[in-house]
Amino acid sequence: GAVVSQHPSRVICKSGTSVKIECRSLDFQATTMFWYRQFPKKSLMLMATSNEGSKATYEQGVEKDKFLINHASLTLSTLTVTSAHPEDSSFYICSARTSGSARYEQYFGPGTRLTVT
Amino acid sequence: EDQVTQSPEALRLQEGESSSLNCSYTVSGLRGLFWYRQDPGKGPEFLFTLYSAGEEKEKERLKATLTKKESFLHITAPKPEDSATYLCAVQGSGGSNYKLTFGKGTLLTVNP
Repeated sequence: GAVVSQHPSRVICKSGTSVKIECRSLDFQATTMFWYRQFPKKSLMLMATSNEGSKATYEQGVEKDKFLINHASLTLSTLTVTSAHPEDSSFYICSARTSGSARYEQYFGPGTRLTVT
Repeated sequence: EDQVTQSPEALRLQEGESSSLNCSYTVSGLRGLFWYRQDPGKGPEFLFTLYSAGEEKEKERLKATLTKKESFLHITAPKPEDSATYLCAVQGSGGSNYKLTFGKGTLLTVNP
């Protein structure tokens, strides 16, 4: 149980284009989904938190117009990197939490490697 | 602000050589302390949640313990497949969005 998937696992795009990453909870309903960014040999940096049907809450320093988050259903959240530039190249990971007795636990997806050329 | 410090940054063990990883934390009202394992190029894999001081949890060769200031991840007789980065995170009750604060991780290498 508690499986989270991400698609695509790897994407290469040209500078100036937009890229959409999907995050799905496969066997549970995700009350909240989180988006993280991870640089090589560094820990996870939280970018934003989203609740189904609500606007995402962004961490300080994260541009909400650049990183668009949509949490349209209890099993799907998307992150769109708009007008991507080489400095946006990174490993993006989503996580999800449910309600109920395991409500404090977050389960992570496998990550998406974005390379902007 | 919640803070997590993990030590050591890196640890090399021989197969079968038991050891412990440390996670020191400060948090306003601990909701939970979490241990994850992360393999290169993958997302973190959930291992344990600890909620209160004195709590212990075990899974195969791993055992996690918790005090009011720190948590230990004990690895008994490790195998090469236990090689990974181990991440510790805390969730405080100060916010309402169940946000996790992560440490920088301990890179464990187990040599055969």
